[in-house]
Amino acid sequence: GNSVTQMEGPVTLSEEAFLTINCTYTATGYPSLFWYVQYPGEGLQLLLKATKADDKGSNKGFEATYRKETTSFHLEKGSVQVSDSAVYFCALSNQAGTALIFGKGTTLSVSS
Amino acid sequence: DAGVTQSPTHLIKTRGQQVTLRCSPKSGHDTVSWYQQALGQGPQFIFQYYEEEERQRGNFPDRFSGHQFPNYSSELNVNALLLGDSALYLCASSLEVPGNTEAFFGQGTRLTVV
Repeated sequence: GNSVTQMEGPVTLSEEAFLTINCTYTATGYPSLFWYVQYPGEGLQLLLKATKADDKGSNKGFEATYRKETTSFHLEKGSVQVSDSAVYFCALSNQAGTALIFGKGTTLSVSS
Repeated sequence: DAGVTQSPTHLIKTRGQQVTLRCSPKSGHDTVSWYQQALGQGPQFIFQYYEEEERQRGNFPDRFSGHQFPNYSSELNVNALLLGDSALYLCASSLEVPGNTEAFFGQGTRLTVV
């Protein structure tokens, strides 16, 4: 079946540090891949997405590249800020408009 | 644009009771999906409604049921509540067009079963 595996957290960084959160997936066909962010007490916000192999999604300084050969979609940011502290979820959708399958989430804590 | 709105924001129910959660989709969206997010976990898909019909369902028991109204708003009903039903319930809306993969989430309803 389809599944998403994320690196265990929490991830604790100092401001301006480099961030990587690993995500790998198992799916049939060619899923779309997503990163969602959840700030404390809030719902999920779409951070970025990629819909086919080698696509790079980017937003607010975050990037992730759809790597079909390694079934990965790692999230990166060159310089994190305190305001980036949140829980990050990797997700896939195997078909447009269908259910999202989420990883367990990775908590990021950035200190000044 | 109000985005996806859910009500209530918090709810406390007793084991065995029934609960109804409500969702209004983002303006222009016609598809509503519901997710359950247990503490410290990722959201789990419950079901999806389109054209007032349940189109897809996750691995949840029949105690979980739903409805979509002609104005695309939706309700999630849970009967015979169990302590394990305590979670954040998220509603997501999207627009049914070919190739569209983007869903917008509401703030969620925090359900506590005691």
